[in-house]
Amino acid sequence: NAGVMQNPRHLVRRRGQEARLRCSPMKGHSHVYWYRQLPEEGLKFMVYLQKENIIDESGMPKERFSAEFPKEGPSILRIQQVVRGDSAAYFCASSPTAPAHYGYTFGSGTRLTVV
Amino acid sequence: AQTVTQSQPEMSVQEAETVTLSCTYDTSESDYYLFWYKQPPSRQMILVIRQEAYKQQNATENRFSVNFQKAAKSFSLKISDSQLGDAAMYFCAYRTYTSGTGNQFYFGTGTSLTVIP
Repeated sequence: NAGVMQNPRHLVRRRGQEARLRCSPMKGHSHVYWYRQLPEEGLKFMVYLQKENIIDESGMPKERFSAEFPKEGPSILRIQQVVRGDSAAYFCASSPTAPAHYGYTFGSGTRLTVV
Repeated sequence: AQTVTQSQPEMSVQEAETVTLSCTYDTSESDYYLFWYKQPPSRQMILVIRQEAYKQQNATENRFSVNFQKAAKSFSLKISDSQLGDAAMYFCAYRTYTSGTGNQFYFGTGTSLTVIP
């Protein structure tokens, strides 16, 4: 059973470009969470999605950031017009249909570098 | 809002010795979960141990154990018989008991553990 798969592992974008980060949850998991880890910091919550629904986006920046989890396919975190401050590691986690009374299963993250 | 504080940015331990990583948190809730995650250089976040706040018994997973002091809002991780593979960044995390909105983890800033051969 493959774990949470994130790709790409590393992504380099020039300022002003778009970044698309993909996350395939574990098989049978329908809850997906995105976290951002800035250098020298812990992970910070961004958004929580279920299939075709955003449940909680309280941690998402109001502009340029969006997330989706379609009926088919991976969850996508999209960052438009990237800036240097967006450089970070972005982690996806998933959990089964029940709320995550246990720890999430995390992916290995996508390291975004904006040059 | 819930906050998680790890006051030790770096720690080191001799191989085979015991080390304790500190974590404190702030919450007004009575039911919640606490976790320790390990992040090696590969960046993978690995769950080490989990504690339910309503349980008085401290959780244990092989060489890893916690000292959970609910009144003091303290949740320290003890690693016994340290091994080279334990070298990593360790994050303490808090999660509310409820589902739906607020179903998020709050992480501390991490403690970098070095294991000395």
